[in-house]
Amino acid sequence: GESVGLHLPTLSVQEGDNSIINCAYSNSASDYFIWYKQESGKGPQFIIDIRSNMDKRQGQRVTVLLNKTVKHLSLQIAATQPGDSAVYFCAENPPSNTGKLIFGQGTTLQVKP
Amino acid sequence: KAGVTQTPRYLIKTRGQQVTLSCSPISGHRSVSWYQQTPGQGLQFLFEYFSETQRNKGNFPGRFSGRQFSNSRSEMNVSTLELGDSALYLCASSFEVGAYEQYFGPGTRLTVT
Repeated sequence: GESVGLHLPTLSVQEGDNSIINCAYSNSASDYFIWYKQESGKGPQFIIDIRSNMDKRQGQRVTVLLNKTVKHLSLQIAATQPGDSAVYFCAENPPSNTGKLIFGQGTTLQVKP
Repeated sequence: KAGVTQTPRYLIKTRGQQVTLSCSPISGHRSVSWYQQTPGQGLQFLFEYFSETQRNKGNFPGRFSGRQFSNSRSEMNVSTLELGDSALYLCASSFEVGAYEQYFGPGTRLTVT
């Protein structure tokens, strides 16, 4: 079936460093992508999204890059803080005009003080 | 603006019982999607409701059902519970159908014994 995969299950970074979390998606026709952050005991929190007609989008301390040629998505977090420690999921919206997001398995980001 | 709320937050049931979970979307949002999250399968789409109509359904057995009310609040029901139904059930709301900018609630943790 369709799936969105993440390259690393766990990423450990030093506080203050930049983090890069990667994701490979499977459906070349997907037109919308979202990054979510999930902290322990909470639901996924919307971080940033990007549509397929863009290759880069910036938010506050976060940047999402989309490479449609290789079906790759990445989330860059600048100056990583302890509060960034969480599981990060990428999700894609296949072109079906429904509410069905397809999620990857998630990458756990650990920030070392 | 209040976020997505889900009740109850925690639930313990025994095999064979049924359960009803409730979700109130963000004010003004008319689309509600439900997801099941487990350590092994990750986040999987259950169904989406818009204007009191189920718009799409994931690959789950008929024991899983849902509905949406005129005020956009949604409920999902699981009948004849099995041990494998133990999971975090997440509700997400969005303004329109189509999965764009879905915002999640905190989830209901269901444990089946």
